[in-house]
Amino acid sequence: QQQVKQSPQSLIVQKGGISIINCAYENTAFDYFPWYQQFPGKGPALLIAIRPDVSEKKEGRFTISFNKSAKQFSLHIMDSQPGDSATYFCAASGRYGDYKLSFGAGTTVTVRA
Amino acid sequence: GAVVSQHPSWVICKSGTSVKIECRSLDFQATTMFWYRQFPKQSLMLMATSNEGSKATYEQGVEKDKFLINHASLTLSTLTVTSAHPEDSSFYICSAREFYEQYFGPGTRLTVT
Repeated sequence: QQQVKQSPQSLIVQKGGISIINCAYENTAFDYFPWYQQFPGKGPALLIAIRPDVSEKKEGRFTISFNKSAKQFSLHIMDSQPGDSATYFCAASGRYGDYKLSFGAGTTVTVRA
Repeated sequence: GAVVSQHPSWVICKSGTSVKIECRSLDFQATTMFWYRQFPKQSLMLMATSNEGSKATYEQGVEKDKFLINHASLTLSTLTVTSAHPEDSSFYICSAREFYEQYFGPGTRLTVT
């Protein structure tokens, strides 16, 4: 049973456009929500993360929006660039179980030049 | 900071042999490390949680006698795939936890012939 549901499965965006990826969770014990970026044949890299005490966090062109009441969070990639073409995974963890991560299914983003 | 290395990056072995994969946190101490397996175009599947100085905790369905994990120090965890078979061919990725954050290694591509 997947604890974090991610959509869409894939998306194509033009260079300079905005990519939006959504995730939803059920477990209210989750209190840490990271996003990872993975290129083919590489390990995932931590991109940005948020705790539930804030509704938004921005780092450069990447922004996480968090809605605690709806149990949803999303990643916005502003001014998308071809180098952003990768697979993005949302995840969630809590204090229990050594903070192990529950991952979403992943979204493959393709940025067309 | 927060760099995790894996060795080897790729390995080919014959069916029936054993293969050891090392995971090191280079610039921080990790009391907890995790081992994942990833199939093409799929999300990461957690195999086990490894705590320094104690036995690993395996996820349901993962054969602990086949995938031996040793967390010998705060910077090193190893995964040994014993009596490997072609179905064990996969991309194996480790991660190391520092507080809430998990940092991933670059992955090891295992091919069993």
